[in-house]
Amino acid sequence: EAGVAQSPRYKIIEKRQSVAFWCNPISGHATLYWYQQILGQGPKLLIQFQNNGVVDDSQLPKDRFSAERLKGVDSTLKIQPAKLEDSAVYLCASSLMVGSGWGALGEQYFGPGTRLTVT
Amino acid sequence: DAKTTQPTSMDCAEGRAANLPCNHSTISGNEYVYWYRQIHSQGPQYIIHGLKNNETNEMASLIITEDRKSSTLILPHATLRDTAVYYCIVRVAGSSNTGKLIFGQGTTLQVKP
Repeated sequence: EAGVAQSPRYKIIEKRQSVAFWCNPISGHATLYWYQQILGQGPKLLIQFQNNGVVDDSQLPKDRFSAERLKGVDSTLKIQPAKLEDSAVYLCASSLMVGSGWGALGEQYFGPGTRLTVT
Repeated sequence: DAKTTQPTSMDCAEGRAANLPCNHSTISGNEYVYWYRQIHSQGPQYIIHGLKNNETNEMASLIITEDRKSSTLILPHATLRDTAVYYCIVRVAGSSNTGKLIFGQGTTLQVKP
């Protein structure tokens, strides 16, 4: 089974420039997550999609970050304009299901991430 | 979601059992304990989860205390490839939950030859 694919793996941009990241989840996974991981910290959820609808974007800095999942499959995360503090690894994850009654939630499968450096 | 407390770092000799503790004293009755790990330059990887019974799979065992306020992840025979950051996460299960994982700082486990 193919895992979660992300591209590019590395990106270096100057502040105020724009950047976009792409994620292709595991086939059949309805739920897709974008996390931001700053060096030395655990990942932090930015946005969660269920199919092509947004479930949670409470931690997404909406003045500069945007994300879409138009056909309910792959997704893009964009930053415009980038700031120095956006330097981080951006992780995409997917899972089969979310919130099915009182049962355990589906485990999340993570991609390798995109390392962004803003200079 | 309840907060967890883990030691910042631990060492373990190769071939020995690695026991990683986690405190979650404010855990609620409908919260599961999940463990993920993150090997350097990779995305986090699911290990195991449990509610109140002990659990075992091919990767590890999870021991949850009777009062559910703490748990221990056990890697029975640690190898150098188990060197990673291990995250203990408590997570609500239910139709109203979004399923998001709230990661703390985790425990950096260094397995030494």
